[in-house]
Amino acid sequence: KAGVTQTPRYLIKTRGQQVTLSCSPISGHRSVSWYQQTPGQGLQFLFEYFSETQRNKGNFPGRFSGRQFSNSRSEMNVSTLELGDSALYLCASSLDNRDSHLRGGEQYFGPGTRLTVT
Amino acid sequence: QKEVEQDPGPLSVPEGAIVSLNCTYSNSAFQYFMWYRQYSRKGPELLMYTYSSGNKEDGRFTAQVDKSSKYISLFIRDSQPSDSATYLCATNGETSGSRLTFGEGTQLTVNP
Repeated sequence: KAGVTQTPRYLIKTRGQQVTLSCSPISGHRSVSWYQQTPGQGLQFLFEYFSETQRNKGNFPGRFSGRQFSNSRSEMNVSTLELGDSALYLCASSLDNRDSHLRGGEQYFGPGTRLTVT
Repeated sequence: QKEVEQDPGPLSVPEGAIVSLNCTYSNSAFQYFMWYRQYSRKGPELLMYTYSSGNKEDGRFTAQVDKSSKYISLFIRDSQPSDSATYLCATNGETSGSRLTFGEGTQLTVNP
């Protein structure tokens, strides 16, 4: 079974621009979460989508947004880029079995998109 | 104070050594515990997933959870140079849903 795929893998943008990143989850997985990884802050949760709805949100400004499509593929968008947005953006998918024991279950990460803002 | 504390290292050991990696957490609502391995410039790879206190073994890896002391550990037996990576602990619970809270990560080097 193919893993989580993310495109593009590398991106260079200028301050003030906007960017859209894409994530395709593992087949059958319905939950997609996004994380930002930086050397100073580590891995931080951005948001989670399930059945095309944002189900959970981290503490990031409104410039960060996302959406999920009916095939569970997800995109995240960052508008008005700042230098501090330079990071590895990671997408993770999970099966999200509704059984309470498995809720919040195993999440599998993609290779990430490395965004550099100049 | 961070919700999950992890010594960032770096940790350097000789090949064949037993490696012990540890994290502490502060939120009693955390119920699920994971260890991820991340190679340089790659995404995190899920190594172990545990739900309750106790031990879980998978090959050379053993994950240990002690909820009473809010302490989680990963042991690597017979460490190999290919184990050289950053190891991240992560946790979540019913109240946080899929939102994982990560430790800072421990950078491990296994020397041949």
